[in-house]
Amino acid sequence: NAGVTQTPKFRVLKTGQSMTLLCAQDMNHEYMYWYRQDPGMGLRLIHYSVGEGTTAKGEVPDGYNVSRLKKQNFLLGLESAAPSQTSVYFCASSPDRGYQPQHFGDGTRLSIL
Amino acid sequence: RKEVEQDPGPFNVPEGATVAFNCTYSNSASQSFFWYRQDCRKEPKLLMSVYSSGNEDGRFTAQLNRASQYISLLIRDSKLSDSATYLCVVTPYNFNKFYFGSGTKLNVKP
Repeated sequence: NAGVTQTPKFRVLKTGQSMTLLCAQDMNHEYMYWYRQDPGMGLRLIHYSVGEGTTAKGEVPDGYNVSRLKKQNFLLGLESAAPSQTSVYFCASSPDRGYQPQHFGDGTRLSIL
Repeated sequence: RKEVEQDPGPFNVPEGATVAFNCTYSNSASQSFFWYRQDCRKEPKLLMSVYSSGNEDGRFTAQLNRASQYISLLIRDSKLSDSATYLCVVTPYNFNKFYFGSGTKLNVKP
């Protein structure tokens, strides 16, 4: 049972490049989330999804887009990467609306030069 | 005001010590509460949920004080392996988000 899998694990981009981070979960969870974590800032919610085909903005959505075409996958896109988006990105999933805790992937370390 | 606030620490304690962290939350209608543990450069992992009546899991005890709007985590007989950052997490009344504190760093020394 893999749980939550994030790809890639590491990536270096140049300013202005685009990329997509993939999150896949095999627990049949309805809810999925993308966070970024910066030193001293804690986890900040970028976007989330409450089910297949749905997405919603979190605390820091600017510069990111997401899609949830399949229940098990949640994609995070950076259309034009900026150095301020250098961070560690975590994906998480949960079976329902906060009664049950989230399960996290092991993160993607992204550097924008 | 932040939804969830924690003392960043670090808390430096010797092995075998008892240490306690508090976490305050701003929304009185918050419904679910959790403690997560995060090791350096790793993903957060669930340590324990926090129930209204308080709950214990081995050396760890979690408590909720709704009147004062805080949750606490007590670690007894600290081990070197307990060194990590401890995150408290709160969900609001509509349950659609999880609010994370910035974490409290614990260093357990030999």
